[in-house]
Amino acid sequence: KNEVEQSPQNLTAQEGEFITINCSYSVGISALHWLQQHPGGGIVSLFMLSSGKKKHGRLIATINIQEKHSSLHITASHPRDSAVYICAVRRGTNKLIFGTGTLLAVQP
Amino acid sequence: EAGVTQFPSHSVIEKGQTVTLRCDPISGHDNLYWYRRVMGKEIKFLLHFVKESKQDESGMPNNRFLAERTGGTYSTLKVQPAELEDSGVYFCASSQDRGEGYTDTQYFGPGTRLTVL
Repeated sequence: KNEVEQSPQNLTAQEGEFITINCSYSVGISALHWLQQHPGGGIVSLFMLSSGKKKHGRLIATINIQEKHSSLHITASHPRDSAVYICAVRRGTNKLIFGTGTLLAVQP
Repeated sequence: EAGVTQFPSHSVIEKGQTVTLRCDPISGHDNLYWYRRVMGKEIKFLLHFVKESKQDESGMPNNRFLAERTGGTYSTLKVQPAELEDSGVYFCASSQDRGEGYTDTQYFGPGTRLTVL
């Protein structure tokens, strides 16, 4: 079993829908990252958080340290949001442990 | 400011050959990380440099992999001899080092897709 689990693995949404991607982890961490990778593109860091909630545009990330759970929300989804979203947790000497990713497709 | 760059973007080699991947981190970033994604699996940590020193190499799969960061600038990852299971995408990332206890964002390169035939 992975130390970082994401759900769902695949998600198809209609443009405008509110989207939630979940991440659960089983180890102690110093921070949690949400990353985005567009098809054929590089990996971009969306958020790094260790408590509470962060917001950037239509993206919101929350984390509950006690429950070892984080969520990434996308409001008013758009086809350009279609990408793989990856949760990664930081432990020890800054190394990241990654989830398997969630493939999101937003249809017009 | 230039981002993390990696070279080559793609490499196709035969089993038994040697391949060297290069990563140029963002200027001034002391931390440099190598990661790998094998087909269908999650991205996995390989190793972490702080300047020219290996801070953590617990993810290196075996002694066919050799990473260097001479001078604390760019890094190379050599695979010798390459095996079929080494195929995957190799990512490099870098971050600033602002001292113990400080967690900083890692910036990723575009990756090198390695195919071993």
